[in-house]
Amino acid sequence: AQTVTQSQPEMSVQEAETVTLSCTYDTSESDYYLFWYKQPPSRQMILVIRQEAYKQQNATENRFSVNFQKAAKSFSLKISDSQLGDAAMYFCAYLGQKLVFGQGTRLTINP
Amino acid sequence: DAGVIQSPRHEVTEMGQEVTLRCKPISGHNSLFWYRQTMMRGLELLIYFNNNVPIDDSGMPEDRFSAKMPNASFSTLKIQPSEPRDSAVYFCASSLRGQYSNQPQHFGDGTRLSIL
Repeated sequence: AQTVTQSQPEMSVQEAETVTLSCTYDTSESDYYLFWYKQPPSRQMILVIRQEAYKQQNATENRFSVNFQKAAKSFSLKISDSQLGDAAMYFCAYLGQKLVFGQGTRLTINP
Repeated sequence: DAGVIQSPRHEVTEMGQEVTLRCKPISGHNSLFWYRQTMMRGLELLIYFNNNVPIDDSGMPEDRFSAKMPNASFSTLKIQPSEPRDSAVYFCASSLRGQYSNQPQHFGDGTRLSIL
């Protein structure tokens, strides 16, 4: 079975600084997708960024980018120029046959 | 385009009562998912449908839980009888799932369920 591990239960960063959230996964599948979801206190689950496993180029969405290391099964999220509105729980997710979520990382932005 | 719509947003009821959670997926999406989120277990997939047919219900905790999708625009998750340990946030999500492409899942706002 596929597993997703987020080793950082909590992270904090100063506003305008850069922070990286870690995610590793375990799978024997060769074709899959990876996502980062953001869950603010409003509890909505918001898709932040996605990566197809067959693509070597790291995905980027404005201030959000990923470092995808397929061989290492690592998928970290980098948030540049952190803003107060980035404060939320961040979930890494693996999509093969099923969508499997990590336990989440709570990100705090310090003004 | 309206997102995934769930109702109610909050539900508080006494144990033993029947609870029905409702979901309207995004129009055109052919897959629908029900998740449960708790502090202890995180996000768990309960069941998912593809083209209104239940594909995998292995995450449904026990027989007290049932889910239906009578048509492409509506699904229900029912708990009967409810127990305090069922208290959680229940999410519905939908996506367009094809043979060669898995689009990301779009989530509703969730239903916070409290069983007293």
